[in-house]
Amino acid sequence: GQNIDQPTEMTATEGAIVQINCTYQTSGFNGLFWYQQHAGEAPTFLSYNVLDGLEEKGRFSSFLSRSKGYSYLLLKELQMKDSASYLCAVRDAYSGAGSYQLTFGKGTKLSVIP
Amino acid sequence: DAGVTQSPTHLIKTRGQHVTLRCSPISGHKSVSWYQQVLGQGPQFIFQYYEKEERGRGNFPDRFSARQFPNYSSELNVNALLLGDSALYLCASSTLDRVNSPLHFGNGTRLTVT
Repeated sequence: GQNIDQPTEMTATEGAIVQINCTYQTSGFNGLFWYQQHAGEAPTFLSYNVLDGLEEKGRFSSFLSRSKGYSYLLLKELQMKDSASYLCAVRDAYSGAGSYQLTFGKGTKLSVIP
Repeated sequence: DAGVTQSPTHLIKTRGQHVTLRCSPISGHKSVSWYQQVLGQGPQFIFQYYEKEERGRGNFPDRFSARQFPNYSSELNVNALLLGDSALYLCASSTLDRVNSPLHFGNGTRLTVT
């Protein structure tokens, strides 16, 4: 099984940097995804990590340490539109052709204030 | 290009009734997954289909069933509805052509059971 933990809520100031942490305990691992979900909307894909290290994509970066079961999402130059929930999700290890299952954390609600 | 489309957007049912939710994946995507998202929680895996075959099933009772059609669209059926089935039901599609292929989510069906 999978157990994924993230902080429930965070608040940060417009223009600042915020780091959202995610720890996981899994029986198998085939990569970690970060999704953004605005209230009442669908989750949208932000990043994917399967190897240790940092992946940078514009204002967003994601880091993974497989040995520590730890990831973080870094948001720079925060904008008001970044106020949303951020979901950490682990993809199960390969379990057959065509299989694809994500286990999500409960999400971190980020509020960006002026 | 059209994204993942789900219907209906909202639904109100009474306990004990049956419901059918529908999903059309992104053109070219052969994998369709269903997730349940209760308010304040992350999405929870229900089913995944690939090439019209069930490839994964989450920890949900037998009241939940699904199928995928030759055109890769999908239906989720829930029988004998309970108050606890009230949630946002998300459909997601993917290509599965790479290990880092993300899930693309639809806007969901908001089900309320009274």
